[in-house]
Amino acid sequence: GNSVTQMEGPVTLSEEAFLTINCTYTATGYPSLFWYVQYPGEGLQLLLKATKADDKGSNKGFEATYRKETTSFHLEKGSVQVSDSAVYFCALNAGGTSYGKLTFGQGTILTVHP
Amino acid sequence: DSGVTQTPKHLITATGQRVTLRCSPRSGDLSVYWYQQSLDQGLQFLIQYYNGEERAKGNILERFSAQQFPDLHSELNLSSLELGDSALYFCASSQSGGSGNTIYFGEGSWLTVV
Repeated sequence: GNSVTQMEGPVTLSEEAFLTINCTYTATGYPSLFWYVQYPGEGLQLLLKATKADDKGSNKGFEATYRKETTSFHLEKGSVQVSDSAVYFCALNAGGTSYGKLTFGQGTILTVHP
Repeated sequence: DSGVTQTPKHLITATGQRVTLRCSPRSGDLSVYWYQQSLDQGLQFLIQYYNGEERAKGNILERFSAQQFPDLHSELNLSSLELGDSALYFCASSQSGGSGNTIYFGEGSWLTVV
């Protein structure tokens, strides 16, 4: 079946540090890949997405590249801010008989200190 | 604001009771999804509706049921509630069910069973 594995957290960084959150997936076919973010006490917000191999999704300084050869979609940001503290979820949509449903990773808690 | 509206935001109820969670999708979206978020299970897909018909089913208990009405709003009914049903329940919507479609999430309904 389809699955998503994220690096274990929590991740604690100082402001302006470089961020990488690893995400790998298992899926049949050609899934679309997503990063969602959940700020404290809020719902899930789409951060970025990529729908085919070698696509790069980007938003708010975050980037992730769809790597089919390594089945990965790692999230990166060059300089994190305190306001980036949140839980980050990697997800895939396998399409086909999965229709539109998302399969999520377990989430990675990011805390950024001033 | 994602455009997906969920009510109520918070709900406390006793074991054995029944509750209904309500969701209004984004304008123009035909697909509605329900997810459960708990500390031990993470984000679990429950069920998807497309234009009033059930499209996909996930880890939804028999005590739970859902429907999508002609005006496209959806309700998730949870009955014979147990302590373990305490969780954050998300509704989400998308234009269709395709794999590349972006799925937008509401802010969730916090259910506490005491």
